[in-house]
Amino acid sequence: KQEVTQIPAALSVPEGENLVLNCSFTDSAIYNLQWFRQDPGKGLTSLLLIQSSQREQTSGRLNASLDKSSGRSTLYIAASQPGDSATYLCAVCYGGSQGNLIFGKGTKLSVKP
Amino acid sequence: DADVTQTPRNRITKTGKRIMLECSQTKGHDRMYWYRQDPGLGLRLIYYSFDVKDINKGEISDGYSVSRQAQAKFSLSLESAIPNQTALYFCATSANRGYNNEQFFGPGTRLTVL
Repeated sequence: KQEVTQIPAALSVPEGENLVLNCSFTDSAIYNLQWFRQDPGKGLTSLLLIQSSQREQTSGRLNASLDKSSGRSTLYIAASQPGDSATYLCAVCYGGSQGNLIFGKGTKLSVKP
Repeated sequence: DADVTQTPRNRITKTGKRIMLECSQTKGHDRMYWYRQDPGLGLRLIYYSFDVKDINKGEISDGYSVSRQAQAKFSLSLESAIPNQTALYFCATSANRGYNNEQFFGPGTRLTVL
């Protein structure tokens, strides 16, 4: 069964710290991997998408990496801010006849002022 | 204006009632999806559609049905709602762009079945 795991489930850091969120997946034959942000009771905001042929993607203070061989992706957040507090979800697409996403359960991030 | 909209945003209903959740998109995407989110279980796929004539079951389709009325509209129905269908429901869309089929989500519908 294709599974996506995110560790840790929750993380609390002081403002200004650089931090890394982890995502692992059991089947390395992925199409792409997407990172989302979800604020409490709200929808999902797409942050970054890494295609299977790519090693990393950057957007502002965010950098996502992908290592298919080890079944891992990381989301690096530089100089964290209280506004970064949210749940971060990793989702894997296996493409083909599916195209849907398989989600991890998320990492809840709290950035303290 | 939001690219992916869902109505209603909140709904409380009783066991046994029929309810429809609607999704509309202005992104021009062919592909649309319905997911549900439960605490501790994450998001799971209910149904998906790659075009107007294509409907596919997802991981947890039992108790649900869908209708793709147009490219821009995809509705989810609960024929006879039960309490364990209480959840946050999301609609999503994506273009058919091979490895770059980024998915975009609506704001969600919070459904409570009493």
